[in-house]
Amino acid sequence: SYELTQPPSVSVSPGQTARITCSANTLPKEHVFWYQQKPGQAPVLILYKDSERPSGIPGRFSGSSSGTTDTLTIRGVQAEDEADYYCQSAVSSSTYWVFGGGTKLTVL
Amino acid sequence: QVQLVQSGAVVKKPGASLNISCKTSGYSFSAYYLHWVRQAPGQGLEWMGIINPSGGKTTYAQKFQGRVTVTTDASTRTVFLELSSLRFEDAAVYYCARNSGFDLSFDFWGRGTLVTVSS
Repeated sequence: SYELTQPPSVSVSPGQTARITCSANTLPKEHVFWYQQKPGQAPVLILYKDSERPSGIPGRFSGSSSGTTDTLTIRGVQAEDEADYYCQSAVSSSTYWVFGGGTKLTVL
Repeated sequence: QVQLVQSGAVVKKPGASLNISCKTSGYSFSAYYLHWVRQAPGQGLEWMGIINPSGGKTTYAQKFQGRVTVTTDASTRTVFLELSSLRFEDAAVYYCARNSGFDLSFDFWGRGTLVTVSS
């Protein structure tokens, strides 16, 4: 089955750059989507199709993809970026959706 | 604006069935697939299943096959989740989410329904 693996936690100081990876267990890799979830809230889509930003998402959020790994990059991290981040993909041929385990971003 | 309004928190006993709802507004109901996703306390997101409101075709995660049923009522623009034979480990926040019209992402989410399973 298609699986996505994220690091459990990432820590960064304000103003620095945070990178959160999402590794797929097989090729070909499907498109990856990224969500931010703050405590007590529903997830919010912040990147689609590996690197595109929905309207309203700040430009400091970006995405890249190489091989089986996608990376969410947050430049100039702010305190308000402290949250859980989830990658997600879908195997359209088999029609199932999958999430990574999530990464807790701590802003020191 | 697009809104997904979920039913309120529930407490269920083990072995009972769960029935929760998600009322949508602000878009063409039949044009977008709808999902259910759950999140156990302190845990990650888990996809449960999807329904095409136009025709009612469903696909469920293998883990929930035989226990889950997702339906819609177009007259009220509402999607329903039924989960039978509840176990303690089914305690979670259950979210409905709309599938994007352009790709396989979830572009709008409900606020979640807290389900407690307690004897």
